[in-house]
Order: sequence, then structure tokens, then C-alpha cells
Amino acid sequence: DVKVTQSSRYLVKRTGEKVFLECVQDMDHENMFWYRQDPGLGLRLIYFSYDVKMKEKGDIPEGYSVSREKKERFSLILESASTNQTSMYLCASSALAGGVEEQYFGPGTRLTVT
Amino acid sequence: ILNVEQSPQSLHVQEGDSTNFTCSFPSSNFYALHWYRWETAKSPEALFVMTLNGDEKKKGRISATLNTKEGYSYLYIKGSQPEDSATYLCANSGGGADGLTFGKGTHLIIQP
Repeated sequence: DVKVTQSSRYLVKRTGEKVFLECVQDMDHENMFWYRQDPGLGLRLIYFSYDVKMKEKGDIPEGYSVSREKKERFSLILESASTNQTSMYLCASSALAGGVEEQYFGPGTRLTVT
Repeated sequence: ILNVEQSPQSLHVQEGDSTNFTCSFPSSNFYALHWYRWETAKSPEALFVMTLNGDEKKKGRISATLNTKEGYSYLYIKGSQPEDSATYLCANSGGGADGLTFGKGTHLIIQP
């Protein structure tokens, strides 16, 4: 089974802190993604990466950066956390199956910024 | 339709009843349609991936249909059980490896 793990299930940080959210996958997938989920807005793509050291902006990259130094690990960084970044963060990795990309998700990190 | 849209936003169903909900997506530039089930405190779990117009997929009491020409998919649950309570997400992929575009989900609550 594909396993995607995230470093924390719950996290509370103060405004202005630098925050690291870590994601690790064990299936040698090329592609990894970070989403946030907010009530009434659904899942929105922040950043994704299709290879080590490669990154692409998603739909809402402002206020975030990412790092992919190893294939299995994709980190989301909040350089200076703000209250509007309080959200559920989901990491995913993907592989092609029969020509179709299938994404596998981690359990999520619920971040509260006070 | 520019985005992926799901309706209804939430749904309360009596245990044992059958139900269905809708996902609408842009019919142009379609590649694949995904359904996920997301239970509280768990990871979203893939239910179906469909690519062909007229596709029908089934997993136990859950099934889905796809109409790519008019841009919609239905998810059906037969004989709802409490464990079916979850948020059901659909997502459209454009054929590349650049992520999925998700709808806002349908939050299903099965009442005993």
C-alpha cells in the first residue's frame, strides 16, 4: 500500500513564526503536492513538484514556499505564519496508472495560527 | 462551467435509503474524473477514476457514472450505512502531472 505521512496531525503556531510541514511518501512517486482545505472552498493546490529540486506554483502559492531535496520528502514552508493560514494542509503523491494520474493523500495537518 | 462543482453541499440521509449526488466539470479538455471519500480524521481515499464517456464503475454499494459530453458524473450509494458518512470529493485532471482540480465536496451524513 502507498503510504503518505505527514509530520504532525495538529500544530499551533504564533503569528510571524516560521513553520515547516513535512511530508514523506514511500512509493518512489515522482510527483508530490501540497493542498489546503478550508470550509466552503474545497481543496486548493498550493505547490507541486515533479522531481527532486523542482517546484511549480499551484493556484494559491502566496505566503508559502516548498523544498524537495529528496524524492520521498516534500516540505511546505510558511516563512512568516499569519492567521489566514490557519487551515487543514494535505500532502499527496501521485503515479501514473494506465495513463491516468492517481493521487494518494496523507492524513492532513491541522494548523492553527494564533 | 469553468470549475468543478458539486451538489448538494451537504446531505442528510436515513440509514437504509439510497442517495446520489452530482459533480459537474468542464467538458472541454477533459482527461479523467476522480471520486474520493474523505472520512473525518482519515486520508482521502480514492474511490473511482473514470476516463471514458458512459463509464460506469462500482465498488460494493457505491457506483458512479460519467458523461463527458455534457460534463457531469453521478455518485450513487445504495442502502446507506452509518460508515458511509464522509465528504465525497470529485476532481478533474487535465492529463498532466500538475495536480487535480477539486470540487468543494458533498458532506454526507447518514442518520441511524
